Amino acid sequence: AQSVTQPDIHITVSEGASLELRCNYSYGATPYLFWYVQSPGQGLQLLLKYFSGDTLVQGIKGFEAEFKRSQSSFNLRKPSVHWSDAAEYFCAGSSYNTDKLIFGTGTRLQVFP
Amino acid sequence: NAGVTQTPKFRVLKTGQSMTLLCAQDMNHEYMYWYRQDPGMGLRLIHYSVGEGTTAKGEVPDGYNVSRLKKQNFLLGLESAAPSQTSVYFCASSSLERQYFGPGTRLTVL
Repeated sequence: AQSVTQPDIHITVSEGASLELRCNYSYGATPYLFWYVQSPGQGLQLLLKYFSGDTLVQGIKGFEAEFKRSQSSFNLRKPSVHWSDAAEYFCAGSSYNTDKLIFGTGTRLQVFP
Repeated sequence: NAGVTQTPKFRVLKTGQSMTLLCAQDMNHEYMYWYRQDPGMGLRLIHYSVGEGTTAKGEVPDGYNVSRLKKQNFLLGLESAAPSQTSVYFCASSSLERQYFGPGTRLTVL
């Protein structure tokens, strides 16, 4: 069955530190992959997406993600975290571009000053 | 361009009551979706639609019904609400590039 897994439920980092959020997928073929961010009480904002081509994808707010087929991973990274990045982050996948999304369970990021 | 809007934003129901959540999009998208979000479980697909007049079941469809009578609207109905349906409900519509999400409806069933 298709699935998206986020192994880390909660991550805490200091402001200015680097960040990596993990995402693993299980699909028969290469899926379309997305990272969304949700601030408390808010909706979902798309950070970046991967459809094909260059495996390093740049997104908004200084985030990037790297697609690694050999590891079935699509990890989200940011070189220097800001306090405003504290939020919940969701990885999601779909079989094609308009297909329904399968979400991971989310990673809550806490940022200490 | 309002994008995806949801009505209402908050609602409290008693067990057994019924209600309808309205999702509207002004982007002329064919595909629309209803998800529910519960703590520790991410978002799970309830029902979806690939065009006007069509609907299909998602991962957690039990206790919900949907209708897509107009292309721009996707309605989610709860015929007899249960406490297990306490959740935040998100609607989305899809272009060829990505899904656009509404702001959510927080529903509490007592």
